[in-house]
Amino acid sequence: AQKITQTQPGMFVQEKEAVTLDCTYDTSDQSYGLFWYKQPSSGEMIFLIYQGSYDEQNATEGRYSLNFQKARKSANLVISASQLGDSAMYFCAMSAGMDSSYKLIFGSGTRLLVRP
Amino acid sequence: ETGVTQSPTHLIKTRGQQVTLRCSSQSGHNTVSWYQQALGQGPQFIFQYYREEENGRGNFPPRFSGLQFPNYSSELNVNALELDDSALYLCASSLISYRNQPQHFGDGTRLSIL
Repeated sequence: AQKITQTQPGMFVQEKEAVTLDCTYDTSDQSYGLFWYKQPSSGEMIFLIYQGSYDEQNATEGRYSLNFQKARKSANLVISASQLGDSAMYFCAMSAGMDSSYKLIFGSGTRLLVRP
Repeated sequence: ETGVTQSPTHLIKTRGQQVTLRCSSQSGHNTVSWYQQALGQGPQFIFQYYREEENGRGNFPPRFSGLQFPNYSSELNVNALELDDSALYLCASSLISYRNQPQHFGDGTRLSIL
């Protein structure tokens, strides 16, 4: 069965510093996708970044990068130059299922607080 | 580009009642998925609709049902509400139902059962 594990319930980071949010996953599929979402207190899940299992390069989107280590089954999110607006819940998720029907499996999340 | 919209924003029901939640998918998207997020947890997959047919279902009882309409909007219906159904219900849409397509979420409907 597929599973996502986020071991950091809460994290603090100083404004303008970088922070790494940990994510490990478990799957027997050869083809899968890994996603990070941000959830502010308003509730909306905001898509941040995607990494495919066959992608050789680590994904980057602006200040977000995904440190993908396939052998270790980890997909850590790195946020550079943290901003106060980055304070939110962050969820790691994995796509699972047949190609024509996939669901997202989410971890339990990490609450990030950016200090001024 | 219009994003995913959900209604209502908040809802209060009592045990045993029935509820309908609505979702309009993002422009151009043809797949809608529903998730339940209990307080302090990650979202759990309920089911997905593609071309007006259920296209995958999570571990939820049959009293959770849904519909997708020709314009790709969707409804989630829950019968015989229980206290444990109190949660944030999230709708997500995507262009096609393939695993490398990010799902885009709405703001959710917060359902409270008294």
